[in-house]
Order: sequence, then structure tokens, then C-alpha cells
Amino acid sequence: SQTIHQWPATLVQPVGSPLSLECTVEGTSNPNLYWYRQAAGRGLQLLFYSVGIGQISSEVPQNLSASRPQDRQFILSSKKLLLSDSGFYLCAWSVDPAGYGYTFGSGTRLTVV
Amino acid sequence: SQQGEEDPQALSIQEGENATMNCSYKTSINNLQWYRQNSGRGLVHLILIRSNEREKHSGRLRVTLDTSKKSSSLLITASRAADTASYFCATDAQGAQKLVFGQGTRLTINP
Repeated sequence: SQTIHQWPATLVQPVGSPLSLECTVEGTSNPNLYWYRQAAGRGLQLLFYSVGIGQISSEVPQNLSASRPQDRQFILSSKKLLLSDSGFYLCAWSVDPAGYGYTFGSGTRLTVV
Repeated sequence: SQQGEEDPQALSIQEGENATMNCSYKTSINNLQWYRQNSGRGLVHLILIRSNEREKHSGRLRVTLDTSKKSSSLLITASRAADTASYFCATDAQGAQKLVFGQGTRLTINP
């Protein structure tokens, strides 16, 4: 069966420090992969998505970047965190969003202090 | 943006009552999906309705879609305390490989 792993669950980082959040998917090949961010009590903002290795689409200009070094691995990074980067980060995958729903990871709560 | 907008933002009802949430969107879609999110957790896919469908059922869930009005509704019948969560609608633009989510409805079921 397909599973998605996202870690860490919580993270407290100082302003100006780097960030690396990792997401991996098991049990499927060539998934579409997504990074979303959710502010407290709000909806989800799409940050990046990828339809294949090395293919990254950026939705919102910001202090973050994403990479897909392997078929089932999606990494969210920052060289220098800002206070405004705090939030709940969610990774998701889908075979085909036109016909199937997304499967979400359990999320990473990032607090930048 | 074709972001969906849910209405109401918050809903509080008694256990056993029905809960109805609405979603509006802006552009043509392939499908519309509903998700549930328990506090501090990831989202769980509930149901997907395609643009050529008008109504769909799954257990106690009933979803309707009116593409002429660009709107959808999610009905949860015979609500339970465990239904307490935030509910989001999400839409995909035709030809796009991504979903855009609304702001969600916070549903509270009172025992």
C-alpha cells in the first residue's frame, strides 16, 4: 500500500538558520508531489509542486525552495529562515489530481524564533 | 485565482443534527474534492465529484455540485462528536496538475 512520510513533526528554528524538510512516498511510482503551508486557522497555500524528477513549479515567490532528487522524495529548503516562514507545512502526493484525491503527510509544525 | 471559498467559516451544531457546508469557486474545473482536517493533523480525502456529476454519496456524506453556479455543498447527516474538524473544498483547473484549497469550515459537534 502507498504511504507518505514527513519529518520532523515539530521544529523550532532561529531566524536566519537554514531549513530542510523531507517527504518520501512509498508504494507508487512517478507521483505528483506537493508542498503546502497552512497558517494558524487558515486554508492551505500551495508552495511548490513537482510532476517528475527535477521538475519543480513554484507558486509563490518567497524565501523557500524545493527539490526532487529522487522519484519519491521531495525536499523543502531555505537558506535563511524568516519569522514569516512559521507555519504548518504539509506534503502530499497524487497519482492524478484530475481523477484522484491527494494523500497528505502528517505535517511539520515550524516555529521560527 | 480559482480558490474555493467555504461558507460558513464556523459551524456549531448538536450531535445527531445534519451539517451543511458550502463552497464556491471561480473558474472551470475538472473536479471538486472535500477534505477533513483534525486539529494539528494532515488532511484526509473524503470525496471527489467530477464536473459532469451533480451529486455523490459516501456513507453519511452527500456532496452536490452546480457548475452553472460554480458551487458545491457537503452534507454530513446524523453528525457525531468525531465529525468535529475543519472541512476544506479543493478544486483543480482544467489541465492543471494541482489543487487549490479554500479557507475551510470549522465544524464543532456538541454532545
